[in-house]
Amino acid sequence: DAKTTQPTSMDCAEGRAANLPCNHSTISGNEYVYWYRQIHSQGPQYIIHGLKNNETNEMASLIITEDRKSSTLILPHATLRDTAVYYCIVRGTRHAGNMLTFGGGTRLMVKP
Amino acid sequence: DGGITQSPKYLFRKEGQNVTLSCEQNLNHDAMYWYRQDPGQGLRLIYYSQIVNDFQKGDIAEGYSVSREKKESFPLTVTSAQKNPTAFYLCASRPSSGALNEQFFGPGTRLTVL
Repeated sequence: DAKTTQPTSMDCAEGRAANLPCNHSTISGNEYVYWYRQIHSQGPQYIIHGLKNNETNEMASLIITEDRKSSTLILPHATLRDTAVYYCIVRGTRHAGNMLTFGGGTRLMVKP
Repeated sequence: DGGITQSPKYLFRKEGQNVTLSCEQNLNHDAMYWYRQDPGQGLRLIYYSQIVNDFQKGDIAEGYSVSREKKESFPLTVTSAQKNPTAFYLCASRPSSGALNEQFFGPGTRLTVL
């Protein structure tokens, strides 16, 4: 699976959009970009995934650049409950066992 | 309520004792996973199972063992051979059909070996 690079930490004001970047310059054609988040001392929670088109669901939007070498997760109106570690993961559809490889993630702090 | 349960939330053991962590799911998922997380780090895969009576080693399987006798259960045993067992342990499951299906995680068990 392609390696991902994320900033270690970010701050965001409550009510503002939180934009979390992820670099995955070695991504290959059949690999998807997944985002999970982990609130302190809980299990990770799936947010969204995409291949090359932008995706949106009730939690967030995922913007993938045209060359697919980077992506941005957008939380449109961050709340205090969005404070968590956000993991960007790249995974192909043919990966044995379909397990996820988690890096260090970005620690997002939403402040009042 | 459908979901994944892990019990207990906190577990304390003396050094040299084996301990078994429970993971149960009623989502009818075929695949189950065990991860370990150390403070400030990401998750590392210990073992996974794609079907009953079958399981594979992950990246850090040494000192751990698993069984998958039933679809809904995937217990993890931390043996005395695991050099540094104190960690947060997370269980996950996913439907095996559909390579893009997300993983669902349990609440985790925090193991402290004294």
